[in-house]
Amino acid sequence: GQQVMQIPQYQHVQEGEDFTTYCNSSTTLSNIQWYKQRPGGHPVFLIQLVKSGEVKKQKRLTFQFGEAKKNSSLHITATQTTDVGTYFCAGKADSNYQLIWGAGTKLIIKP
Amino acid sequence: GAGVSQTPSNKVTEKGKYVELRCDPISGHTALYWYRQSLGQGPEFLIYFQGTGAADDSGLPNDRFFAVRPEGSVSTLKIQRTERGDSAMYLCASSLTRWGLDTGELFFGEGSRLTVL
Repeated sequence: GQQVMQIPQYQHVQEGEDFTTYCNSSTTLSNIQWYKQRPGGHPVFLIQLVKSGEVKKQKRLTFQFGEAKKNSSLHITATQTTDVGTYFCAGKADSNYQLIWGAGTKLIIKP
Repeated sequence: GAGVSQTPSNKVTEKGKYVELRCDPISGHTALYWYRQSLGQGPEFLIYFQGTGAADDSGLPNDRFFAVRPEGSVSTLKIQRTERGDSAMYLCASSLTRWGLDTGELFFGEGSRLTVL
């Protein structure tokens, strides 16, 4: 069945360093969404990407959707303590209506 | 309501018991989803309602799990003969249209944490 692989599982950074998480799908996606889940919280929608090669920015966050619509990335520039949490990608394939989630990448700021 | 509301926030039960988890979606949202999330994992799809009908229940793990949405608003997830492996956070989400196609956004509740002893 369709799978979405997300790496890395964890990333430890110093405050001010950059952070990147990557998602790869086993099948072509019609769209991909990104969510952030704070510790103890629930997933909160960040963005949806639909077009091949699409790049969207939200302040220090940059989201990319691959040309083949099978991979995506989220890059955070100059991390801050408020960025702490787990970032999930969730992809939807054309062939069904389910949103398949990656396992998430946990961003940890080193003290 | 202002957001998706889920009750109870925590439920501890014994193996073999019956459990109901309730979700009250954002007013006007026709699509409602149930997910299950284990520690360190992404949400796992269980069931999707469009209005009153279950449009996709392929994620329900077995026949002990059942969900209803009789009036197209509040939904109840029902688990019979609970097992220790059912312990997880059960998340409910709603969106304005089918899979939130307009903005893509799913609005999640705070979840119901189920612990089966």
